[in-house]
Amino acid sequence: DAKTTQPNSMESNEEEPVHLPCNHSTISGTDYIHWYRQLPSQGPEYVIHGLTSNVNNRMASLAIAEDRKSSTLILHRATLRDAAVYYCILRDVRAGNQFYFGTGTSLTVIP
Amino acid sequence: DAGVTQSPTHLIKTRGQQVTLRCSPKSGHDTVSWYQQALGQGPQFIFQYYEEEERQRGNFPDRFSGHQFPNYSSELNVNALLLGDSALYLCASSLVGGNTDTQYFGPGTRLTVL
Repeated sequence: DAKTTQPNSMESNEEEPVHLPCNHSTISGTDYIHWYRQLPSQGPEYVIHGLTSNVNNRMASLAIAEDRKSSTLILHRATLRDAAVYYCILRDVRAGNQFYFGTGTSLTVIP
Repeated sequence: DAGVTQSPTHLIKTRGQQVTLRCSPKSGHDTVSWYQQALGQGPQFIFQYYEEEERQRGNFPDRFSGHQFPNYSSELNVNALLLGDSALYLCASSLVGGNTDTQYFGPGTRLTVL
């Protein structure tokens, strides 16, 4: 299973951008990079995913390094509702649709 | 459109007992995956069901078994419960052949083993 490394915790001020890093140096060519977040007392929630190119959606942006060994989830304006644990996950399309989670980054948003 | 639902919300069992957890997938989804999340840890993949068969399995003992019904709902069974089985059990659904990139998770069942 491909592994990811994330900081245990990060803080951000409300309404400021947040950059959440993830290292995945053992990524293979068929691994997709996924980000999910888990709010307190809830199941994980899809945020964004990509393969090689940067991706944008209404929730966030995903910046993928050219060598794909790292990626960054960007929240453009953090709100209090963005306080959650953010998981960076590699999904091998050859191995089915299961995800292998790490311990994630706990994001605190300061009012 | 109902999302993924799980029952019960909470459950307390004693060591050695057996437990069954239930999951109804999001409408239109045909694949169900189960995860175990210990306190302070990320979810760990248990297994995945599609077409009523176990298709993928993580590193969990045979005490963990499952079933998928024709309506795509699923059960997770755990036999001979250990204290270490205390965790949040999450069910996730997805659609094979559709947008398989996204899994939708339920709120989980909190299992406490005493």
